[in-house]
Amino acid sequence: LAKTTQPISMDSYEGQEVNITCSHNNIATNDYITWYQQFPSQGPRFIIQGYKTKVTNEVASLFIPADRKSSTLSLPRVSLSDTAVYYCLVVYSSASKIIFGSGTRLSIRP
Amino acid sequence: EAQVTQNPRYLITVTGKKLTVTCSQNMNHEYMSWYRQDPGLGLRQIYYSMNVEVTDKGDVPEGYKVSRKEKRNFPLILESPSPNQTSLYFCASSLEGQGRDEAFFGQGTRLTVV
Repeated sequence: LAKTTQPISMDSYEGQEVNITCSHNNIATNDYITWYQQFPSQGPRFIIQGYKTKVTNEVASLFIPADRKSSTLSLPRVSLSDTAVYYCLVVYSSASKIIFGSGTRLSIRP
Repeated sequence: EAQVTQNPRYLITVTGKKLTVTCSQNMNHEYMSWYRQDPGLGLRQIYYSMNVEVTDKGDVPEGYKVSRKEKRNFPLILESPSPNQTSLYFCASSLEGQGRDEAFFGQGTRLTVV
């Protein structure tokens, strides 16, 4: 059964590094993992995507271990404006499905 | 400006009264999809379309219909809405689709069925 699991909420402080983990099972070697950010009253917005090892862009990094049963979104030096809900999206090509996690509400404090 | 546009943004309707939520994209994307978002459940895929005249069911298609007669438009149709379809709906588009690339989302349509 395809399932994508994330922590419900996390708290951190400005300037800290935040790591949000997504657990997923039965994904194929080339199945992508994507992270989105959502602010209230807006649609989700793309952050980063990858399918193996490590991917980095100007706002985040994505770590995917060899067993591919989880992935971690890393946000360096967060600010108050990073307060949002973060979703991982996992492709389950064996089941012809894509499944969003239920979202992690990240709260950043001064 | 590249965007996905949904209309209306807010809608209150009564049980059984047919309604359509429109979605349009200006990026010439092949792929479009509809999601519903409910508290604690994240986003669940309703239907998707890989190209014109090609549509497929997502995880929660019951009670919904879609059509893809033109590349830019992908309307969501509720033939006989029920209160359990009260939700926040998002349309999205991308070049390749089904999680393989960046998806662009609309602003959402908040539907209440009474």
